[in-house]
Amino acid sequence: EDKVVQSPLSLVVHEGDTVTLNCSYEVTNFRSLLWYKQEKKAPTFLFMLTSSGIEKKSGRLSSILDKKELSSILNITATQTGDSAIYLCAGSYGGATNKLIFGTGTLLAVQP
Amino acid sequence: NAGVTQTPKFQVLKTGQSMTLQCAQDMNHEYMSWYRQDPGMGLRLIHYSVGAGITDQGEVPNGYNVSRSTTEDFPLRLLSAAPSQTSVYFCASSYPSSYGYTFGSGTRLTVV
Repeated sequence: EDKVVQSPLSLVVHEGDTVTLNCSYEVTNFRSLLWYKQEKKAPTFLFMLTSSGIEKKSGRLSSILDKKELSSILNITATQTGDSAIYLCAGSYGGATNKLIFGTGTLLAVQP
Repeated sequence: NAGVTQTPKFQVLKTGQSMTLQCAQDMNHEYMSWYRQDPGMGLRLIHYSVGAGITDQGEVPNGYNVSRSTTEDFPLRLLSAAPSQTSVYFCASSYPSSYGYTFGSGTRLTVV
């Protein structure tokens, strides 16, 4: 059965800390792995990673996929209260149909 | 830019009632999907469409119908609402070559 597992389930840090969120996947016909940030409403797209292993960066956020370990990490440096959100990891599969299977998410709370 | 528009934002139904959740996108995306989000379960795929006139089932299709008569619209119909369908529903769309789905702001549905 296909699955995406995220850890930890929740995390509380203080502003300025660095955090690492984890995602492992077992997805048939895997295409790519995506990270989303969900605040109060809709998930917003952060990164797409493929088996090429190329790291993606955007400001204080970075992410990379380890195709041997079937896993990915999302790093956030110098955290801010605005980083508080649920971070979702999803595996893309299904050939041309571009379907996603999501993990349950990591709830990150950044305290001032 | 409207992006992906979902209506209504909130809805309360009685068991056995039917209703349609509306989803419209103005980005000319071919792919559209419906997900439900439940605590501890992540987002799960209900139905998806790869273009007008083409739909297929996702992970949890029972109790839901969809149709795709135009590129822009992808309504989700609940045939006979059950308390187990209490959830937050998200519609999402993307281009075929893009893995980054754009999500609507969600519909919070409560079935009593």
